[in-house]
Amino acid sequence: DTEVTQTPKHLVMGMTNKKSLKCEQHMGHRAMYWYKQKAKKPPELMFVYSYEKLSINESVPSRFSPECPNSSLLNLHLHALQPEDSALYLCASSQGRALYYGYTFGSGTRLTVV
Amino acid sequence: KQEVTQIPAALSVPEGENLVLNCSFTDSAIYNLQWFRQDPGKGLTSLLLIQSSQREQTSGRLNASLDKSSGRSTLYIAASQPGDSATYLCAVNGSSNTGKLIFGQGTTLQVKP
Repeated sequence: DTEVTQTPKHLVMGMTNKKSLKCEQHMGHRAMYWYKQKAKKPPELMFVYSYEKLSINESVPSRFSPECPNSSLLNLHLHALQPEDSALYLCASSQGRALYYGYTFGSGTRLTVV
Repeated sequence: KQEVTQIPAALSVPEGENLVLNCSFTDSAIYNLQWFRQDPGKGLTSLLLIQSSQREQTSGRLNASLDKSSGRSTLYIAASQPGDSATYLCAVNGSSNTGKLIFGQGTTLQVKP
């Protein structure tokens, strides 16, 4: 298995809702990442997990809450989002901190906040 | 602060043409550089990964080069096909502590039949 699987592919949520995005990989990668991509812009890093511990938070608002329950699974919990949070959310993984191995990205979750 | 620039922002070519996409970065202290392809509304597909010690990598019709000292990389696509139409992103990994990728703005390629 050489894939990063993200679910759901599409999500529409209201500003008072609570939802979660899920990311899974079975490549034995020990670093996992959340990126956010707005339309016609490059991806921007949100969080880095290394060996299931949060190592980087790029000053992301607390309405985004990451979780790494085990080495194969990464969640992003969403609460009280704003319409400007609508974007493509990409999960990625790498064998280490990608110094030598590069990244594998998932197909993303298209999030719309109404 | 690392900055990555891709030129051109958009490119339209007839099928069969060979083409070059350019990527430049301001800080030559990088670990590697990765080229990705992104179809509209989709995730990123890795095309080529070049380590800082390497000069080039090849995969099929794709060839990527890296000149770390001048802060430049190119992606060469031979015999372009309509299926190559997509946005191409280059990203550099320059941090030993975060593994953070810094992306360019991308080049949107259209190959016309």
